[in-house]
Amino acid sequence: AQSVAQPEDQVNVAEGNPLTVKCTYSVSGNPYLFWYVQYPNRGLQFLLKYITGDNLVKGSYGFEAEFNKSQTSFHLKKPSALVSDSALYFCAVRANFMNTGFQKLVFGTGTRLLVSP
Amino acid sequence: DGGITQSPKYLFRKEGQNVTLSCEQNLNHDAMYWYRQDPGQGLRLIYYSQIVNDFQKGDIAEGYSVSREKKESFPLTVTSAQKNPTAFYLCASSIDSGPSYNEQFFGPGTRLTVL
Repeated sequence: AQSVAQPEDQVNVAEGNPLTVKCTYSVSGNPYLFWYVQYPNRGLQFLLKYITGDNLVKGSYGFEAEFNKSQTSFHLKKPSALVSDSALYFCAVRANFMNTGFQKLVFGTGTRLLVSP
Repeated sequence: DGGITQSPKYLFRKEGQNVTLSCEQNLNHDAMYWYRQDPGQGLRLIYYSQIVNDFQKGDIAEGYSVSREKKESFPLTVTSAQKNPTAFYLCASSIDSGPSYNEQFFGPGTRLTVL
């Protein structure tokens, strides 16, 4: 089954500390992975994606993600958290939709990041 | 939220009513999508459209209908057949939906509540 798992419902971190939001995936073939952020009552904003190449992907707002093929993981990281980073974070993977040839995004259930002052 | 607008921001529906959610994009994207978001469940695909005048059912299409008469518009109708319509609805678009890997851009969402 093609899926994404975000094992933590919530991550708490103090401002200035490094943060990690975990994501593991299961998909046939090469994985195409994405991270999005959602602020309250807003749509999702794209942060970064992994298609191929370097395992460390840099994205918006100082975020980066590390692709690990052997562990089937794509964890989101930031060296120094800000209070304004507090939001809901979604990991997603491109996956074949039935036998249509269409590739949809499969989303994880989201991880709430809470950065305390 | 880029060049995608959704209206209204909040919508209240009575039992048995059909309601239509608007989604417009000015990004000249071919592909458009509708998702439903429920707490703790992530996003689920309702319908998608890869090109104007064409659309396909997603994972949870029952009780919903769409049209794609114009490239920039992809309205979603929540019919009375949808038994649990209270949710946050998100529209998205991408340059295309083929085997390229472009990200999707999301609108600000519509929160639908059944009274």
